[in-house]
Order: sequence, then structure tokens, then C-alpha cells
Amino acid sequence: GQQLNQSPQSMFIQEGEDVSMNCTSSSIFNTWLWYKQEPGEGPVLLIALYKAGELTSNGRLTAQFGITRKDSFLNISASIPSDVGIYFCAGRADSSYKLIFGSGTRLLVRP
Amino acid sequence: DTGVSQNPRHKITKRGQNVTFRCDPISEHNRLYWYRQTLGQGPEFLTYFQNEAQLEKSRLLSDRFSAERPKGSFSTLEIQRTEQGDSAMYLCASSPHRDGGMNTEAFFGQGTRLTVV
Repeated sequence: GQQLNQSPQSMFIQEGEDVSMNCTSSSIFNTWLWYKQEPGEGPVLLIALYKAGELTSNGRLTAQFGITRKDSFLNISASIPSDVGIYFCAGRADSSYKLIFGSGTRLLVRP
Repeated sequence: DTGVSQNPRHKITKRGQNVTFRCDPISEHNRLYWYRQTLGQGPEFLTYFQNEAQLEKSRLLSDRFSAERPKGSFSTLEIQRTEQGDSAMYLCASSPHRDGGMNTEAFFGQGTRLTVV
């Protein structure tokens, strides 16, 4: 079945640093979504990508839909303590409306 | 607030009991999804509705699980004869219909955390 590999598993960084995380898929996706989840809450949508090569920003967050349609990355610039949480990538293939999720990147920010 | 609403937020039940969760999607979103999330993992797809029609079900959805969306608005997820392995966060999401294709975002509720003891 379809699988998403998300890396790194966790990051512990200093406030102000930039962060980069990525996802790779074993198959082609037509949509990539990036979510942030905090303890006890549901995932919150950060960025949606719909075209290969698309680069989209949301404040300090930037995400790209890979040219091969099998990967995506998320960058966070100038991290702040409230960026702490688990970041998930999710992809959707042509044949279905369901989302396949990565296993998450846990981000900790040291003030 | 017009986001996805899930009730209850928490449920503790004894093994063997039946439980039912409710999801109210964002108004006018015609697609509704159920996912399950266990500790340390990403959400896993369970099932999806377009209006009142259940169009896709995961193999994770055993015969003890049933989901309905009778009027194409709110949805319920029932688990019969609960087992300890059913303990998880159950997430509901909804997405709008967009002419021309499948490119739509999915917005999640806060989830229902189920603990089976």
C-alpha cells in the first residue's frame, strides 16, 4: 500500500533557527497538505499544495510540492516557542479522497 | 465557531460495551471523513462520505465499526463490543466540494479520545 516517510522524527532547536522537514512517498500524489498538531487536539491545516513544483508560503512557513509528485518539504523560518508541536505531512492520490499521513516530526524549541 | 465539532471529547468505557461518537462538519462541506490516531502515529483513514453516501471504507474498519451520515450533515461512528485495542483518538474531518476536481483541503475536529478499560 501507499506509504509516507517523514523525516526527521524529532528536532530540538534554538529559538530563531530555521527548520526543515520533508516527506517522501512510494507513489504519486496530486495533493500535499501540512498539518500541525498539539497535545490533545486535532491536526490544524497549515498549507495545501495542488501542483507539482508549487511553492506556497503562510507567514514564516513555506512548503513545496516536489516535481516528481512523490515528495514535499516544509520550512519554518525564525522559529519561536509557539512553533512547538508535531508536524504531519499528508498526501492524496488521484484515485481516492482519503489522506495518507506521515508519522510526524516532533518539534521542540529552546527559548 | 464554525469548525468541525466532535462529541464527546473524551470517553472511557469498559471492554465489551458499545460507544457512539458524533461529528458535525463545517456547514456546507459535503465530504466527511473519519480517521483513527494512536499514540506516536499519524492519523489513519477509516471511512469517507460524500453527502449521505459512504464511498470508501478502510480494512481497519472491522465489522464492529459502523458509520452513518443519514441526512448528509452530521455523522456518527459506533463501535460495538469495544476491545482494548480500540483505544485511540477518533478524528473527524470535512472538506468542501470544488468544481473541477479533487483539490480540496480537509479540516479536522478536536477528536474524541476513547479509552477502553
